[in-house]
Amino acid sequence: DTEVTQTPKHLVMGMTNKKSLKCEQHMGHRAMYWYKQKAKKPPELMFVYSYEKLSINESVPSRFSPECPNSSLLNLHLHALQPEDSALYLCASSQEEGTGELFFGEGSRLTVL
Amino acid sequence: GESVGLHLPTLSVQEGDNSIINCAYSNSASDYFIWYKQESGKGPQFIIDIRSNMDKRQGQRVTVLLNKTVKHLSLQIAATQPGDSAVYFCAVQNSGGYQKVTFGTGTKLQVIP
Repeated sequence: DTEVTQTPKHLVMGMTNKKSLKCEQHMGHRAMYWYKQKAKKPPELMFVYSYEKLSINESVPSRFSPECPNSSLLNLHLHALQPEDSALYLCASSQEEGTGELFFGEGSRLTVL
Repeated sequence: GESVGLHLPTLSVQEGDNSIINCAYSNSASDYFIWYKQESGKGPQFIIDIRSNMDKRQGQRVTVLLNKTVKHLSLQIAATQPGDSAVYFCAVQNSGGYQKVTFGTGTKLQVIP
């Protein structure tokens, strides 16, 4: 199994809503990542988890709250988002942090109204 | 900091011809380089990588060339096919304590049948 699965594929939310994005991998990878990608732009790193601990936070606003319940799961909790937060949110994993290939999911497309 | 750029935002190639996508990077300490392919509506997918102790690496129909002197790498795709149409990102990683992957701006490859 070489897949990273993200749900939901599409999400529309208002600025006062609370929602969560979910990511799952069963490759035994110990590093998991959240990236944000705007249209026609490269992915931008948001968070890195290594061995279920937050390793890197790229100065992301607190309205984005990551969580790693176990080595296979990664969540991104969303609260009080702004319209400019509308983007494709990509989850990725790798065997270890900072080593080798990133395996990406297909992303969750978020629209904030 | 690291900046990674591609020379051409869009590249149109006739089916069957070879494609060359270029990428420049700025940090001479970068030691790991990866090419990703992103098809419409999907997450980036690993194509090929190369470490700084090499100057050439070949895969199936793809070759990556690294010139550390001028901080430049390229992706060559042989006998380009319609299925190669996508956005291609180079990504650069530095060894050391903060092993962030930095993505370049992307080149859109259009294959003309």
